[in-house]
This record gives sequence, C-alpha cells and structure tokens, in this order.
Amino acid sequence: DIVLTQSPTTMAASPGEKVTLTCRASSSVSYMNWYQQKPGASPKLWIYGTSKLASGVPNRFSGSGSGTSYSLIISSMETEDIATYYCQQCCSTPLTFGSGTKLEIK
Amino acid sequence: QVQLQQSGAELAKPGSSVKISCKASGYTFTSYYISWIKQTTGQGLEYIGYINTGSGGTNYNEKFKGKATLTVDKSSSTAFMQLSSLTPDDSAVYYCAREGGALPYYFDYWGQGVMVTVSS
Repeated sequence: DIVLTQSPTTMAASPGEKVTLTCRASSSVSYMNWYQQKPGASPKLWIYGTSKLASGVPNRFSGSGSGTSYSLIISSMETEDIATYYCQQCCSTPLTFGSGTKLEIK
Repeated sequence: QVQLQQSGAELAKPGSSVKISCKASGYTFTSYYISWIKQTTGQGLEYIGYINTGSGGTNYNEKFKGKATLTVDKSSSTAFMQLSSLTPDDSAVYYCAREGGALPYYFDYWGQGVMVTVSS
C-alpha cells in the first residue's frame, strides 16, 4: 500500500499568513486529492486531480505537486480555514489517505 | 442537491454483525460508485472498498475482505455495508461517499457518517 506522510502534523498560522501543507507518498502517484474536515463533520472534497478546486472552495487555496511530493497552499490564512486537511492518493489500490494536518489560528 | 443519508448509530456486541445504509438522492444513482471509508482516531481514514451501483460489482481493500460486504438496492437508490464478526477494533465512524469511477478517483460527496460502537 502507498503510505502518505503529511507534514506538519499540526500548525498554527496568523490571519493573512501564507500556509503550505505537504503530503509525501511512499511511491509515485499520478494525482493527489485533498479533503477538509471540521470537528464533528464529514470530510469535504477540497482539491482534486492535484490542482483543481472543488466547488465552492475559495481561490486562496491551490494545489500542486507531482511524483511523490504534493502541497496544498493557502495564500492568505483566514479563520474559516481552521480544520484538518487530509491528502488521498488517487491511483494505486487500495486508495489511501494521509494522517492529516490540523491547522489552527495563531 | 446531492445527498447521501446514512442510517443511525449502532451499538453492537462482539461477534455480531451490523448493516449500515446509505440512501442517495439528487443525482442518477447508477452513474456513480459508492465507496465506504472508516475513520478512527488511531488509524485515521481507511478505504474499505466500493460498489458499482449499476452492475453490483465490488472491489475491496484486502484488509477488509471478510469483514465488510457491500450491496446495493437500485430500486431505492440505497447502498449497504454489512460488517461481520465485530470486535472492538471495528468501533469507528463509517462514511459512504460518492465516487466517479474514473481517475483521479476522488470522493465528492460524503454521508454524515455512522458511529459503530462494539462493546459487551
């Protein structure tokens, strides 16, 4: 199985700060998907196909990467972005998820 | 609007089985797969498998073969997951999610989750 390692595990950012979350795969994958989960809620699709924003996702979010290294970037942190973000590799069975990055406000 | 409505929380005894439902609405049910995902504090998100809602064909994560059985009732646009021979390790929140069946295999809508607690 492909193991996805997310870093950092937890981070705090100030409003307006640029945030970069990283997901590294144990083997090369073609695409990466990202989900946002807030406490008590189901995960929501956030970014798919590495860089495509899901419907309703603010354009301060972006995704990039290839091979074994992928990133979710927030250009300017807002309080509503407080959540845990999970990466998910698309293409090797079984599909696997990272363990998440918990994003807090400073 | 697309909705996946799951059944309610389950409290089950070790060795028993539970069957969770996932009723879809707001889209053509047989045009998308339904996948199932387990979430625990310790193991995070784990992919269980999917069912092709049109053909009934299934694909399971090896880890969940023999544990989970996926079925579908097209007439009611409902997918089901049965978990058998339950142990405390099966205690988790279980989600159903819609999946397009093509690369880059992502889950665009999720149910609200069902908490399964296994305890004597």
